Amino acid sequence: AQSVAQPEDQVNVAEGNPLTVKCTYSVSGNPYLFWYVQYPNRGLQFLLKYITGDNLVKGSYGFEAEFNKSQTSFHLKKPSALVSDSALYFCAVRGNNNNDMRFGAGTRLTVKP
Amino acid sequence: EAQVTQNPRYLITVTGKKLTVTCSQNMNHEYMSWYRQDPGLGLRQIYYSMNVEVTDKGDVPEGYKVSRKEKRNFPLILESPSPNQTSLYFCASSRQATSVSYEQYFGPGTRLTVT
Repeated sequence: AQSVAQPEDQVNVAEGNPLTVKCTYSVSGNPYLFWYVQYPNRGLQFLLKYITGDNLVKGSYGFEAEFNKSQTSFHLKKPSALVSDSALYFCAVRGNNNNDMRFGAGTRLTVKP
Repeated sequence: EAQVTQNPRYLITVTGKKLTVTCSQNMNHEYMSWYRQDPGLGLRQIYYSMNVEVTDKGDVPEGYKVSRKEKRNFPLILESPSPNQTSLYFCASSRQATSVSYEQYFGPGTRLTVT
C-alpha cells in the first residue's frame, strides 16, 4: 500500500524568503502526487498535482513542486513566501492501481513578517 | 457554484446516540470519500464510493457506515458513537472514479464531539 511522509511538523520562514515543504512517498507502480492546503476552519484546497511529464509542476498561488523519482520525493516550493501562505499543507499520493488516497500528517507553515 | 456541502458543521452528542452527517456535491462527481482528521495523524480515509451503490472501506472504517443511493449524496452514519470518534470529518469528491489523476474537492468539515 502507498504511504506518504512529511518529515517536518512545522516550517517557519520569513516573508520574502523561499520556502520548501518536504514530502516523500512510497507506492508500487506510478505515483500520482498531490498537494493540498488547509486554512483555519476550512476544508482542504487543491494546490497542484504530478501525474506525468515535467518533473517541475506549477500550481496555484505561485507554488510549485518538484517530482524526484530517484529520491521518491515531491517537495513543495515557493520562491518568495507571503504571510498569507501560513496554513497547514498536506501531501497525498495515489497509486495507479488504488482507489484510495493516502495523506501525510501535514506540515504547518508559518510565514513571519 | 461548484461545491461540496456537509451538515451539520458542528455536533456534540453522547455515547451511543446514532447520528448521520450528510454530504452532497453538485458537480456530478463519480467518486466520493469520507476522511477524519486528527492532530498528528493527518487525514485518514474512512470509506469511499466509486459510484452509486458502490462503496468500499478505507483505512479506518470501524464504527462507521455509508450509503450511496444517489450520485450527489454520500452520508456518513455512526450507529453507536464513542468518544474515540471525536474528530474533524471531511467529505470529498472527484470527477472520475476510474482515473486516479483527478484531484479531490473537499467540504468545509464537520467537527464532532462525542461525550
